[in-house]
Amino acid sequence: NAGVMQNPRHLVRRRGQEARLRCSPMKGHSHVYWYRQLPEEGLKFMVYLQKENIIDESGMPKERFSAEFPKEGPSILRIQQVVRGDSAAYFCASSPPAGDVGELFFGEGSRLTVL
Amino acid sequence: GDSVTQMEGPVTLSEEAFLTINCTYTATGYPSLFWYVQYPGEGLQLLLKATKADDKGSNKGFEATYRKETTSFHLEKGSVQVSDSAVYFCALRSTGGYQKVTFGIGTKLQVIP
Repeated sequence: NAGVMQNPRHLVRRRGQEARLRCSPMKGHSHVYWYRQLPEEGLKFMVYLQKENIIDESGMPKERFSAEFPKEGPSILRIQQVVRGDSAAYFCASSPPAGDVGELFFGEGSRLTVL
Repeated sequence: GDSVTQMEGPVTLSEEAFLTINCTYTATGYPSLFWYVQYPGEGLQLLLKATKADDKGSNKGFEATYRKETTSFHLEKGSVQVSDSAVYFCALRSTGGYQKVTFGIGTKLQVIP
């Protein structure tokens, strides 16, 4: 049973470009969370999605950031017109359907560097 | 809303020293509690968990007890090793709403030989 898969592991973009980060949850998991981690800082919640629904996007900046989790395919975190402050590690986590109060399963992260 | 407070690091210990990382929480109801560990350059891994009061989670020599009366879930290990150097995150998962997961800020542990 493959774990949570994130790609790319490393991404370099110039200011103003777009970054797309992908996350495939564990098999059977229908809930996806995205977190951002700045260097030497903790995890900051960004968004929580179920298939075709955004449940909580309270941690995601209103501008330039968007997330989706389509019926088919991976969840995608999209950052438009990147700025240097977007440089961070972005982690995706998944969990089984609602009603389970167990742990989240994390991917290895996607490290974005904005030049 | 829910919150998790854990001691700030970094914590530096000599090998074989005793480790305690404090964690307290605020939540309604009876959340599940977790400790995650993040090694350099990697994602978070579950270290241990407890789902109800007085439960003790344990793994790899680490343990933590769910204390409802003090709303705490302190992480302990009797004898740390260099390989335990990592960042440790305390977290809770609420039982209401959509079972939101809330993380503490993380505590960096460095173990020196």
